[in-house]
Amino acid sequence: GENVEQHPSTLSVQEGDSAVIKCTYSDSASNYFPWYKQELGKGPQLIIDIRSNVGEKKDQRIAVTLNKTAKHFSLHITETQPEDSAVYFCAASTNNNNDMRFGAGTRLTVKP
Amino acid sequence: GAGVSQSPSNKVTEKGKDVELRCDPISGHTALYWYRQSLGQGLEFLIYFQGNSAPDKSGLPSDRFSAERTGGSVSTLTIQRTQQEDSAVYLCASSLLGGNYGYTFGSGTRLTVV
Repeated sequence: GENVEQHPSTLSVQEGDSAVIKCTYSDSASNYFPWYKQELGKGPQLIIDIRSNVGEKKDQRIAVTLNKTAKHFSLHITETQPEDSAVYFCAASTNNNNDMRFGAGTRLTVKP
Repeated sequence: GAGVSQSPSNKVTEKGKDVELRCDPISGHTALYWYRQSLGQGLEFLIYFQGNSAPDKSGLPSDRFSAERTGGSVSTLTIQRTQQEDSAVYLCASSLLGGNYGYTFGSGTRLTVV
């Protein structure tokens, strides 16, 4: 089955700097890659996703890149703000409705 | 409602007691998932419901855990004879058709077994 690895487990940046979180996956059939943000005391919230037919997707300060050959994808946050501080999870799935696998999470801290 | 609703938000129970956790998914979402998140840890899959199909129970950690989904909507996760290691946040998520369309998570139920 799919195995998703996520790095780093913790990341601390200064406000205004960029943050990058990387994930690798094992199943070459995976074609959907969402990213979730979990704030303290809340459930994870979908912030951006990418499908395997594109290599990059942007939404304001957030971007995700996908390298299918290397089986890795990354989340990029530019001009970080303190409210970006949260735990971020990557995930990967195929067309199967129940094979979404999550990374272990990255705790991002943005220092003001 | 507009989102996934879980109740209670917090539950403290004594070891050995049974607990029921409730999830109201987004109306029209056919897929429903339960996950467990221990303190500072990732998301552990428990069970998956899709329409009227038999649920995928492959993630349930023991026979003390069970879940049902009535009428293709509300779901209840039951933990019998709770143990201290059951203490965690239990998250419910729903999806329009399945995982390839993204999940909407509830805020979770924080279960503490004392």
